Amino acid sequence: QSVLTQPPSVSGAPGQRVTISCTGSSSNIGAGYAVHWYQQLPGTAPKLLIYADTNRPSGVPDRFSGSKSGTSASLAITGLQAEDEADYYCQSYDSSLSGSRVFGVGTKLTVL
Amino acid sequence: EVQLVESGGGLVKPGGSLRLSCAASGFTFSTYSMNWVRQAPGKGLEWVSSISSSSTYIYYSDSVKGRFTISRDNAKNSLYLQMNSLRAEDTAVYYCARSQPDFHFDHWGQGTLVTVSS
Repeated sequence: QSVLTQPPSVSGAPGQRVTISCTGSSSNIGAGYAVHWYQQLPGTAPKLLIYADTNRPSGVPDRFSGSKSGTSASLAITGLQAEDEADYYCQSYDSSLSGSRVFGVGTKLTVL
Repeated sequence: EVQLVESGGGLVKPGGSLRLSCAASGFTFSTYSMNWVRQAPGKGLEWVSSISSSSTYIYYSDSVKGRFTISRDNAKNSLYLQMNSLRAEDTAVYYCARSQPDFHFDHWGQGTLVTVSS
């Protein structure tokens, strides 16, 4: 069982805004460790989408944004497009598990 | 351009061993921590192991501790994962990934499939 909780699925129509939550605890997100987000298109390797809570790597559209508060973080996607249909994972570090980088269970985004 | 290319996956019987390799190019390999992350069929991502730039710090997930060994050869720009006492639950695509100081994985390889089955 992952220490970071995500909804199993979210959906939205093209052009809409969706958010994906990532809930942790006082030993990971709540301890101030950065939260990162990855997009995994079907059959491909994960791709870094957001790092250090709110930062976008070069080439990632500004339709994607991240936020963090307390023991939770969120990924927002605005202007939803068909090509955004993918699995999304949050990731952080957990101080209660030696050296442990931890992932959320993943959220399947369906574009209706 | 950063490139990470995994190899060494395949079919192995329970209790067997396998060694994965990851060839890195396009960056100064010796200055980055490196990692293995796996994904079982139809499942989510699971961090497996990390190694610091000079191999000083090595970490494993509880699920592989004592069975897997991560190592690197900075002269060959290569990362390795020696996997022993393999179990069916180790069946997964294994990704090599570069990490930054805040623990995010900024570049990933394409993955190599390991299947543990009799």
